[in-house]
Amino acid sequence: KAGVTQTPRYLIKTRGQQVTLSCSPISGHRSVSWYQQTPGQGLQFLFEYFSETQRNKGNFPGRFSGRQFSNSRSEMNVSTLELGDSALYLCASSLEGQGAKNYGYTFGSGTRLTVV
Amino acid sequence: DQQVKQNSPSLSVQEGRISILNCDYTNSMFDYFLWYKKYPAEGPTFLISISSIKDKNEDGRFTVFLNKSAKHLSLHIVPSQPGDSAVYFCAASTGNEKLTFGTGTRLTIIP
Repeated sequence: KAGVTQTPRYLIKTRGQQVTLSCSPISGHRSVSWYQQTPGQGLQFLFEYFSETQRNKGNFPGRFSGRQFSNSRSEMNVSTLELGDSALYLCASSLEGQGAKNYGYTFGSGTRLTVV
Repeated sequence: DQQVKQNSPSLSVQEGRISILNCDYTNSMFDYFLWYKKYPAEGPTFLISISSIKDKNEDGRFTVFLNKSAKHLSLHIVPSQPGDSAVYFCAASTGNEKLTFGTGTRLTIIP
């Protein structure tokens, strides 16, 4: 079956702009989570959506937002981009209640965002 | 506040020997621990997990040990193979869908 698909793979934006990233989970997976990976910081949890509702949220400013559609596809948006937002943004999907336990999440390959 | 710590940024091991990757945590509410492996330009791949009610879980060449009193877990890879060269992340959860990750350890297997 198809894995987690993230688009685009690479993106270059200018400081102050806004950006939207897309994630299509594995078919049947209803939970979608987003993580930011930066050098030296590891993966930082952004938020998790399930059935179009945000269930968990990390410690990121309000410039970071997301949503989930009825087909479980998810988007995340970053407004007023800052240089420090340059990172690899990873999306992960899981069946309800299983992602953090038995077999973990399935991650996509990520979107590499560069802010200049 | 780094609740999950991987204090060794890198580790080199000869092929065929044992690789031991370490992870420490501070939050006693964590009840699931996972290890992920990541190659460049790819997303992390789940390797193995352990519940806080266990102290060991084994899957093929991979074994995870949990010492709750020391708030420490480790991943053992035996025998190490060249394909094991990657960045390994330790992660922990309090039971919801949020994972708290360490900063990773880059493992290099020397042929």
